[in-house]
Amino acid sequence: QVQLQESGPGLVKPSETLSLTCAVSGYSISSGYYWGWIRQPPGKGLEWIGCIRHGDTTYYNPSLKSRVTISADTSKNQFSLKVSSVTAADTAVYFCAGGFGPTGDYWGQGALVTVSS
Amino acid sequence: EIVLTQSPGTLSLSPGERATLSCGASQSVRSNYLAWYQQKPGQAPRLLMYGASVRTTGTPDRFSGSGSGTDFTLTISRLEPEDFAVYYCQQYVNSPFSFGQGTRLEI
Repeated sequence: QVQLQESGPGLVKPSETLSLTCAVSGYSISSGYYWGWIRQPPGKGLEWIGCIRHGDTTYYNPSLKSRVTISADTSKNQFSLKVSSVTAADTAVYFCAGGFGPTGDYWGQGALVTVSS
Repeated sequence: EIVLTQSPGTLSLSPGERATLSCGASQSVRSNYLAWYQQKPGQAPRLLMYGASVRTTGTPDRFSGSGSGTDFTLTISRLEPEDFAVYYCQQYVNSPFSFGQGTRLEI
């Protein structure tokens, strides 16, 4: 059974970098699948941020591309998200997800990140 | 970039009734690379359907998906109390793999 778990600071100051990690169990991320990040501002819908495949091929939402980096650490079986220069608009629940395609077959429980000084 | 528009924004129905949710795409979604998710409050979304009409393991057969090109539909034949939630469509043919804005299905 594939399980994902997000971790990282719940509070980030404006202009700083948001960093989250998603630990994967039950499947080796080096074996394939897409591994990605989706966020959901409070009370709003889902926004696709980006994903990584085969450990090195990345896809990003153009609206965030200049500030986002997704990377994978196959030795730890985890992948990460960095969002730079954050503002209050980046406050959201951040979900990590994985699947055979760029769909979320498997999801983490979500991590609330608040941007505030 | 493909923009997905879901309608209606909110659908008010009763248990036992039939629900029809729509997802329209700004350009053709080739190979029906269209997925549907269900999200309940405080939970992560759950993948219900992929390939526009293929149910995932555990999705009840009262859920069905149809459509092609730019128009897709999720139908719930007879609503159960646990079906009241928010539903999202997602296209995965072209990056960015965008979501629709969601349809809230309420009692």
